[in-house]
Amino acid sequence: SQTIHQWPATLVQPVGSPLSLECTVEGTSNPNLYWYRQAAGRGLQLLFYSVGIGQISSEVPQNLSASRPQDRQFILSSKKLLLSDSGFYLCAWSVGQFITDTQYFGPGTRLTVL
Amino acid sequence: AQSVTQLDSHVSVSEGTPVLLRCNYSSSYSPSLFWYVQHPNKGLQLLLKYTSAATLVKGINGFEAEFKKSETSFHLTKPSAHMSDAAEYFCVVSERTGGGADGLTFGKGTHLIIQP
Repeated sequence: SQTIHQWPATLVQPVGSPLSLECTVEGTSNPNLYWYRQAAGRGLQLLFYSVGIGQISSEVPQNLSASRPQDRQFILSSKKLLLSDSGFYLCAWSVGQFITDTQYFGPGTRLTVL
Repeated sequence: AQSVTQLDSHVSVSEGTPVLLRCNYSSSYSPSLFWYVQHPNKGLQLLLKYTSAATLVKGINGFEAEFKKSETSFHLTKPSAHMSDAAEYFCVVSERTGGGADGLTFGKGTHLIIQP
C-alpha cells in the first residue's frame, strides 16, 4: 500500500531564516506531487505541483520554492521566511494522467514563523 | 470555470442524530467530486468520491453523498453522528480539462461539532 511522509511535524522558525520541508511517498511510482498551505481560518491553497522529476509548476508567486530531486521526494524551501509563511503545509500525491485525479494527503507540517 | 460552495461554515448536531453537510458546485464539464475530512492538526483523509458512476456514493465511517446534477449539489450525510466525527470537512470539485492546477477546487470547509 502507498504511504506518504512529511517532516518535520512541527517547526518554529524566526523571520528571515531558511526553510526546508520534506515529503516522501512510498509504494507507488511516478506520482504527481503537490504542496498546499492552509493558513488559520482559510481553505487550502495550492502552492506547487510536480508531474515528474525536475518538473515544478508554481501556482502562487512568493518567496517559496519547490524541488523534486527524486521520483518520490518533494521538497519545499525558502531562503528567508516571512511572518505570512506561517501555516499548515500539506503534501499530497496522485497517480494518473490528470492532476485532477484523487489526491492523498500527508500528515502535514505546522510551521510557525516568529 | 468551476467553483464549489460549502453552504455552512459550522454545523452542530447531537451525538446519535443525523448529519448533513451541504455542498453546491459549478462546473462546465462533467465533474468529479470529493469529500475529505481533516481532524485537528492532521492531513486530509478521503471520505468518498463521485466519478460519473452511481449517483449515491458510499464512503468510509458510514458517510455517503448523493450527486444531484439538477441541483448541482453533492451533500454529505451520515445517519447517526459519533463524537469522533467532529472535524473539518472539505468538498472538492475537479474537471478533466486536460491539465492545469485550476482543475481542482477546494471548498472553504465546514466545521462539524458534535454535542454529547
